[in-house]
Amino acid sequence: SQQGEEDPQALSIQEGENATMNCSYKTSINNLQWYRQNSGRGLVHLILIRSNEREKHSGRLRVTLDTSKKSSSLLITASRAADTASYFCATAASRIKAAGNKLTFGGGTRVLVKP
Amino acid sequence: DAGVTQSPTHLIKTRGQQVTLRCSPKSGHDTVSWYQQALGQGPQFIFQYYEEEERQRGNFPDRFSGHQFPNYSSELNVNALLLGDSALYLCASSLVHRNEQFFGPGTRLTVL
Repeated sequence: SQQGEEDPQALSIQEGENATMNCSYKTSINNLQWYRQNSGRGLVHLILIRSNEREKHSGRLRVTLDTSKKSSSLLITASRAADTASYFCATAASRIKAAGNKLTFGGGTRVLVKP
Repeated sequence: DAGVTQSPTHLIKTRGQQVTLRCSPKSGHDTVSWYQQALGQGPQFIFQYYEEEERQRGNFPDRFSGHQFPNYSSELNVNALLLGDSALYLCASSLVHRNEQFFGPGTRLTVL
């Protein structure tokens, strides 16, 4: 079963606009990560936010985390055609086991940036 | 510095056959995780290997098995293939106790 649910499932915007997508999850987490996937290939790690952090920036990306609401958002500012991809949130459980944390992914948001 | 590599890129099998997928982790990484991604869905965790042992396992049947070698590379084996096993299989490597995982390009398996 999937931990996170992204909203919306699909998003179409014009180049230069901002894109915002949300992720909700169900259980306590150690951290939440956002990944990008182009054309059904490998995932690229974008940003990690820990459970004790509320906001994090990386270039044109801004991630927020609200652990009381069990939700996160990813904002891509000044979008480009190259940002067209699927975006996934993934959570790592709060209990760290012997060898790292497995990631539990949501269903993803498919973003289309039109030139 | 090579990232995570996987082979083969594509694979076509028929129901009932067996398949082996391979993964080489990013240089310096010691932990390998495998994920299955069905079309239009997010990846699902299969299992994770560290020190040549399976450390965590997701909700997958025993038909799915794996192995990690002393050089940290890993194999995923699936026996008695079903049509529903058709998916993109992703390998991710990391350092033990570190959160960030680096993904390979995946192997697309089609079961006919």
